[in-house]
Amino acid sequence: DTAVSQTPKYLVTQMGNDKSIKCEQNLGHDTMYWYKQDSKKFLKIMFSYNNKELIINETVPNRFSPKSPDKAHLNLHINSLELGDSAVYFCASSQGQDVAQAFFGQGTRLTVV
Amino acid sequence: GQNIDQPTEMTATEGAIVQINCTYQTSGFNGLFWYQQHAGEAPTFLSYNVLDGLEEKGRFSSFLSRSKGYSYLLLKELQMKDSASYLCAVLDSNYQLIWGAGTKLIIKP
Repeated sequence: DTAVSQTPKYLVTQMGNDKSIKCEQNLGHDTMYWYKQDSKKFLKIMFSYNNKELIINETVPNRFSPKSPDKAHLNLHINSLELGDSAVYFCASSQGQDVAQAFFGQGTRLTVV
Repeated sequence: GQNIDQPTEMTATEGAIVQINCTYQTSGFNGLFWYQQHAGEAPTFLSYNVLDGLEEKGRFSSFLSRSKGYSYLLLKELQMKDSASYLCAVLDSNYQLIWGAGTKLIIKP
C-alpha cells in the first residue's frame, strides 16, 4: 500500500491554465506538507497543515491555494499557471512535528509550456 | 539569512568510502537530517542528528558539530545503488526544514 500518494505524476499544461494536484496519506498522520523542488534541486516548503488547519504558509504567490478536506488529504490548486511554476511538487506527511519520520510522495512533475 | 551548503557533485569508486559535508547557518537549530533522493523519486530519510557526535546506521554514518555548524554523511563500502543525491536539511527554531541543494554522488565501478 502506498503511504503518501499524489496524482498526477506528470502534468503538462499551458500558461494561464488552472490545475490541481491531489495528495492522500494512509498513515494516520496529522500533519501534511507541500514542497516545491526547483531545477536546482532546492526543496522549499510551501504549506503545512496540521489537523486540517494551516500552520505554515511560506511566501508563495496567492495563485497557489492548498485545500485540506480532511486530515488524510491535502490538495494543491494552482491558478493562472506561469512558466516559472514548472518544478516537481512533493507532498509529505508526518505525525506532529516529527519530521524525522516524514514520508514523501513520489512527486508531481509539472511542466508549464 | 538561512543557508545550507554542500558540494554539488562528488564521484567515488564502488567499494570505497565517501564523506559528504554540509555546513549550515540557520535561525535556531532543532536537528539535522540527511535524505537520499534517487533521480525522479521522492527523498527518503537516512539519519537525524540533534546532539554532537557520530550516529552509525549500517554502512551510513552521520556526524554533527553544532558549534561549527557542520555535519557530514559517511558512506562505506559503496555500492552502485548508492548513486543518488544526498540532501542535508536543518530543522530551525520554528520547526521548519531548511534544505540544501543536495550533493549528487556518482559511483564508478
